Order: sequence, then structure tokens, then C-alpha cells
Amino acid sequence: TQLLEQSPQFLSIQEGENLTVYCNSSSVFSSLQWYRQEPGEGPVLLVTVVTGGEVKKLKRLTFQFGDARKDSSLHITAAQPGDTGLYLCASRGGYNFNKFYFGSGTKLNVKP
Amino acid sequence: DAGVTQSPTHLIKTRGQQVTLRCSPKSGHDTVSWYQQALGQGPQFIFQYYEEEERQRGNFPDRFSGHQFPNYSSELNVNALLLGDSALYLCASSLSDFDTQYFGPGTRLTVL
Repeated sequence: TQLLEQSPQFLSIQEGENLTVYCNSSSVFSSLQWYRQEPGEGPVLLVTVVTGGEVKKLKRLTFQFGDARKDSSLHITAAQPGDTGLYLCASRGGYNFNKFYFGSGTKLNVKP
Repeated sequence: DAGVTQSPTHLIKTRGQQVTLRCSPKSGHDTVSWYQQALGQGPQFIFQYYEEEERQRGNFPDRFSGHQFPNYSSELNVNALLLGDSALYLCASSLSDFDTQYFGPGTRLTVL
């Protein structure tokens, strides 16, 4: 079983602040995805990272994949209340490629 | 183009009862996966259906079963409901297993 550990579990910040959330595993990821989930909705894919060391930007969001492909981070610059939600990382199982594993998520609250 | 749809939105059952949840995949998608998301947790993989067969299964008991129809829609059945089955049940569809998954809004199941 590929366990994905996310930190922190909860984050409450003021609008305009920066933040970083982390996703770690003891196993090597083939690829890793970041999702955002808002209350009452399903997760929405933000980005997929595939190559070790890869950095992807999505407006104020910067995603980084570790060189060894065992960790990833999501950095948000100048957070806004609209960024509030549950941020989830996910990856496919090692030898069980058809299984998809999610981390437990980071619950972000951005206060105006 | 309609996305992934799920029905019903909410459901209340009592212990020991049986429930059927339904999912219609995004147009053109042939693979459907089901997830259980407990409050405050990330989604957990239940199983995946492709070509009307269960292709992969997570760590869920046999009380959880499913079906995929020729039009690629899918059902999730849970027998002998337990209080711990209360959760948000998410359906995700993709074009083949390697493609991006798109999630529906989920069915909120409450077992009393």
C-alpha cells in the first residue's frame, strides 16, 4: 500500500499570506496529482507532475515534484478566500497501477 | 457536455439496510472508479470498473459490490449497512485507466 502523508492537516491564514503544503511518501511516485475539493463537491484536478524536479505554475499556485519523486509541495502566493478548500495529493499504487491513493488532505481556510 | 453525475445527492438509511448509488460518467469515458470519503479524510479507493468488469479493488469488504452497464454507467451497492459506512461516496470517470479522472459531486450517505 502506498501511503501519502500530507502536512499540515489544517491551515488557517489571513488573505494575502503565503503558504506551503506538503505530500510525502516512502515509495517513489510514478506521477502525482494535486486536487482541490470544496464542500459538497468532488475533487477537481489542479495539476499532474511526472518528472523528478518538475515545477509547474498555475496562476498563484506553484507545484514542485521532488528530485527522487517521493515528495511534492504546493505553494500558494498571496492567498485569497477563494483558495479555501481541501487540498489533496494522489498517486497510483506502485505495482497496482489501477489503484489510486489519496492523502488525507490539508484543509485550508483563508480569512478575508 | 455533461460532467460526471451521481444520484441521489443525499441518502439516509438505517443499520442493516441495503443501498444503491448511481453514477453516469462523463461523455466518452469508459472507466468508472468509486471512492469512499469519510468526514475530514481523503477519498479511499473502493473499486474500478472497465468493460463491465471489476478491474481492481481496494480494501473493502464484500458488502461493497458494483456493476457497470453497457453504456458505461455504474452502480455501487452496499449491503448490511453499518454506522461506519456513513460517508461521501464519489464516482470518478476517465477514458481508460491512464487518463485524468473527473469526479462527480458525490452522494452523501448517512446511516442511523
